[in-house]
Amino acid sequence: GIQVEQSPPDLILQEGANSTLRCNFSDSVNNLQWFHQNPWGQLINLFYIPSGTKQNGRLSATTVATERYSLLYISSSQTTDSGVYFCAVARYQGGKLIFGQGTELSVKP
Amino acid sequence: DTGVSQNPRHKITKRGQNVTFRCDPISEHNRLYWYRQTLGQGPEFLTYFQNEAQLEKSRLLSDRFSAERPKGSFSTLEIQRTEQGDSAMYLCASSHNLFGTTDTQYFGPGTRLTVL
Repeated sequence: GIQVEQSPPDLILQEGANSTLRCNFSDSVNNLQWFHQNPWGQLINLFYIPSGTKQNGRLSATTVATERYSLLYISSSQTTDSGVYFCAVARYQGGKLIFGQGTELSVKP
Repeated sequence: DTGVSQNPRHKITKRGQNVTFRCDPISEHNRLYWYRQTLGQGPEFLTYFQNEAQLEKSRLLSDRFSAERPKGSFSTLEIQRTEQGDSAMYLCASSHNLFGTTDTQYFGPGTRLTVL
């Protein structure tokens, strides 16, 4: 099956700093989503991005499907950005998502 | 659009008891997924439905687990004879898998199961 690797596993930032999270996957995919899991366990959708670039406020994401990786950029980080960020991919349209191990982000005031 | 809802949010049970969880997907979403997440790990796929048909089950889904989606709307996940290793967060997601849609999966808040 598809392997998904996220890096770094942990990241500590000062408020206002920028960061880049990486997701590598081992095979071609038709779905790639980025999530933020809040302290209560809720997975919040950030991006649906099987290819290309998208931006939403301070967050942006880029997926280079031919090279099998995706990047999530967080600019001007805030304490509310803390939590675990997951990348998840699916081999087929409508198929099951395979998650990475996540990146745990802690933003200090 | 009220989002995916799950009930109960928390369940504490004794080993050997049966438990049932419910998931209500986003209205008109034809696909419904169940995942399980243990501490420090990413969610792992259990099973999914398109309308009322169960299309795939993970090897993680032992004979003690059964899922249904009888009318293609809400779904239930039952665990029989619970074991301590079943303690986890059970997550439900739904998507609208039709031509022209983005196939984004939206997750509910989860049911946290603790088996004593």
